[in-house]
Amino acid sequence: DVKVTQSSRYLVKRTGEKVFLECVQDMDHENMFWYRQDPGLGLRLIYFSYDVKMKEKGDIPEGYSVSREKKERFSLILESASTNQTSMYLCASSGQGLAGANEQFFGPGTRLTVL
Amino acid sequence: TQLLEQSPQFLSIQEGENLTVYCNSSSVFSSLQWYRQEPGEGPVLLVTVVTGGEVKKLKRLTFQFGDARKDSSLHITAAQPGDTGLYLCAGVRGWQGGKLIFGQGTELSVKP
Repeated sequence: DVKVTQSSRYLVKRTGEKVFLECVQDMDHENMFWYRQDPGLGLRLIYFSYDVKMKEKGDIPEGYSVSREKKERFSLILESASTNQTSMYLCASSGQGLAGANEQFFGPGTRLTVL
Repeated sequence: TQLLEQSPQFLSIQEGENLTVYCNSSSVFSSLQWYRQEPGEGPVLLVTVVTGGEVKKLKRLTFQFGDARKDSSLHITAAQPGDTGLYLCAGVRGWQGGKLIFGQGTELSVKP
């Protein structure tokens, strides 16, 4: 059974703290993604990685960084958390395929609250 | 910038009713996916449509890709409470890494 796991389901942090969100996939997928999900805005891509140590900015990278040292693990880092980063964070992975029409497998999400 | 407009944003219906969710863009996508997300879980893929005009059926769900590959619809026949959830359309953009652009989502509630 394919699986994407995220380190925490719920997280509460204070403004200015450094926050690490971890994501692990067991499908040997090349591609991994971090999204944030806010009501009425759908999923917005923060960063993605198509190979180990490779990363590219998505649509809303400001205030975030990522790390992919191993194929199965993709970390999202909030260098200095702010209240406007309170959101649901979803990690996903996908394999290589034809014409980019790859199914993305999602983790259960981390609901982050920044006070 | 490619955008996907999804409508309606909220839909509350009675069990047994039919409904249609729309996903529209001014851009052409190589393919389009529909996901369903239940509370506390990540989205799960329902279907991918690739060819303009394509129609795919998944039990009581019918998915259509527009001829010009700019829009798509999801039709549910005789909705059931188990269909309740957030439905998301996602356009596949480019080839690199299979990046998706998501619509805003449609929150569907089916009451018994």
